[in-house]
Amino acid sequence: NAGVTQTPKFRILKIGQSMTLQCTQDMNHNYMYWYRQDPGMGLKLIYYSVGAGITDKGEVPNGYNVSRSTTEDFPLRLELAAPSQTSVYFCASRSGQGVMNTEAFFGQGTRLTVV
Amino acid sequence: AQSVTQLDSQVPVFEEAPVELRCNYSSSVSVYLFWYVQYPNQGLQLLLKYLSGSTLVKGINGFEAEFNKSQTSFHLRKPSVHISDTAEYFCAVSDEGGSEKLVFGKGTKLTVNP
Repeated sequence: NAGVTQTPKFRILKIGQSMTLQCTQDMNHNYMYWYRQDPGMGLKLIYYSVGAGITDKGEVPNGYNVSRSTTEDFPLRLELAAPSQTSVYFCASRSGQGVMNTEAFFGQGTRLTVV
Repeated sequence: AQSVTQLDSQVPVFEEAPVELRCNYSSSVSVYLFWYVQYPNQGLQLLLKYLSGSTLVKGINGFEAEFNKSQTSFHLRKPSVHISDTAEYFCAVSDEGGSEKLVFGKGTKLTVNP
């Protein structure tokens, strides 16, 4: 029962480098999210998707891109890494179907440091 | 748009004492409310949720929360805490219309001391 899987768990990037954070869910959920967590700031929504082929910006999308070609996968792309993107990134998913299926399931997080 | 305010960033308590973690929300529509817990170096997991019906909801690990529509609050309580309850707790809201957005508060760090 994998749930939401994020890779990698840790990564150090140099300024200007690019990378993709991977997120896969095996629950056939429609909604998927990317959040970043900074100390004392809670979770800020970066991008979200309501289904394959559909994505939208959250609160803090600048410097990131996403795609959703399948229901299962929702990768987050950093094109030109900056120190301000040092954070812990969480992927989450929700069913999006039915009142009772409102719980969001989270991955274990990716700790990214940009130096 | 919804927003969530968690009034305390840190709450230290002694073991076996009661605790209340406060959460207020704002929204122009009816909402669903959630409390999540995050243990060190882990993702978030659901403690409890309010969707409709009884305003007192019970969750895992002995936690409960009360929805108060007039005060737009959803405070989390536990009558007697354990050392293992030390974690960060997040309140979250989404609108009842099924909006895809799930908005989180800044979190409250609960530290239970022996």
